[in-house]
Amino acid sequence: DGGITQSPKYLFRKEGQNVTLSCEQNLNHDAMYWYRQDPGQGLRLIYYSQIVNDFQKGDIAEGYSVSREKKESFPLTVTSAQKNPTAFYLCASSRSGGHSPLHFGNGTRLTVT
Amino acid sequence: GQQLNQSPQSMFIQEGEDVSMNCTSSSIFNTWLWYKQDPGEGPVLLIALYKAGELTSNGRLTAQFGITRKDSFLNISASIPSDVGIYFCAGLSNSGYALNFGKGTSLLVTP
Repeated sequence: DGGITQSPKYLFRKEGQNVTLSCEQNLNHDAMYWYRQDPGQGLRLIYYSQIVNDFQKGDIAEGYSVSREKKESFPLTVTSAQKNPTAFYLCASSRSGGHSPLHFGNGTRLTVT
Repeated sequence: GQQLNQSPQSMFIQEGEDVSMNCTSSSIFNTWLWYKQDPGEGPVLLIALYKAGELTSNGRLTAQFGITRKDSFLNISASIPSDVGIYFCAGLSNSGYALNFGKGTSLLVTP
């Protein structure tokens, strides 16, 4: 079955540590996205990538970094510079940018103490 | 990103009732999407709308792309307990690339 896999489901880190969230898709989609979800805040765009080796900042990119070395993979690193890293992180992909619907993974809940 | 206003923020209804929620934007959108999210899961696409005035159904769900292209609504008829979740609208303008999301409508259905 095609889909998007995010791992791990739950992640715990100490403050000051960088942490990388994995996102893999086998849908052959060109575009991939990272969103952050906080209670009552909806989904906010962190980074997106339309094609391999290219990515753009979203609305809340500060304190995050990404890479897109392979079409299937779009890992997100939450750095120690991110002031409030505890959140639910959602990865998504689409056939081509913009007007194609996004398909989401099941998320990673990151808790930083 | 562009601001989407989604209302109501939450709804508590009895099983069998109909539900209506809507989303408005200050900008014109070319695409409106409606998603449902179950607790601890990723959002799942319910309905996609691509043309002003378009009315699309998916089982008990019906969504419309507003004529002004600045709004959309989602109706759920004869609600059942498994309709519980958070419903998000999402839109894309001509000048945008990634989807903008509303803050969600939390739906609770009591038997």
